Amino acid sequence: SQTIHQWPATLVQPVGSPLSLECTVEGTSNPNLYWYRQAAGRGLQLLFYSVGIGQISSEVPQNLSASRPQDRQFILSSKKLLLSDSGFYLCAWSSSPLQETQYFGPGTRLLVL
Amino acid sequence: AQSVTQPDIHITVSEGASLELRCNYSYGATPYLFWYVQSPGQGLQLLLKYFSGDTLVQGIKGFEAEFKRSQSSFNLRKPSVHWSDAAEYFCAAPQLNEKLTFGTGTRLTIIP
Repeated sequence: SQTIHQWPATLVQPVGSPLSLECTVEGTSNPNLYWYRQAAGRGLQLLFYSVGIGQISSEVPQNLSASRPQDRQFILSSKKLLLSDSGFYLCAWSSSPLQETQYFGPGTRLLVL
Repeated sequence: AQSVTQPDIHITVSEGASLELRCNYSYGATPYLFWYVQSPGQGLQLLLKYFSGDTLVQGIKGFEAEFKRSQSSFNLRKPSVHWSDAAEYFCAAPQLNEKLTFGTGTRLTIIP
């Protein structure tokens, strides 16, 4: 069966520090991968998605970037965190095409102080 | 642009009572539709999905949802809620560009 992992579970970082969140998927090949952010009291905002290694699509201009160095690894990064980057970050995967069901990881709670 | 609307931000239900969470969508063609549940501090878990066929869809944990094209709705129901159902519930549907759009969520509180 497929499983999706995210780490760390919780992160507290100072403003201006770098960020690296990792997501890995097991039990499937060539998944579509997604990064979402969930701000307090709001729905999910799609940040990035990837249909293959090195293929990243950005949904909104922001302080973040994403990379996919391996088939089942998806990394969310920032060079300098802003206060507004605080939130709950969720990674998800789906089989092709994009309309297929998305399965979510446990999430990372990021607090920027 | 296509959208998904969850009109109720917060609903409180007594344990054992029935539940209906509303979801409305705006799409021209028959959409794919999903309901997810999120417990506090956790990721989202798929409850059920509608792709085609029977408009009444059964999901996990005793939930069901009915697709009504005439009302552009995909409401989630459960005949008798349990305290463990307290969570946030999200309706979702793909855009024309195939990315999933989520509603803003409905927070469900269960009282004894």
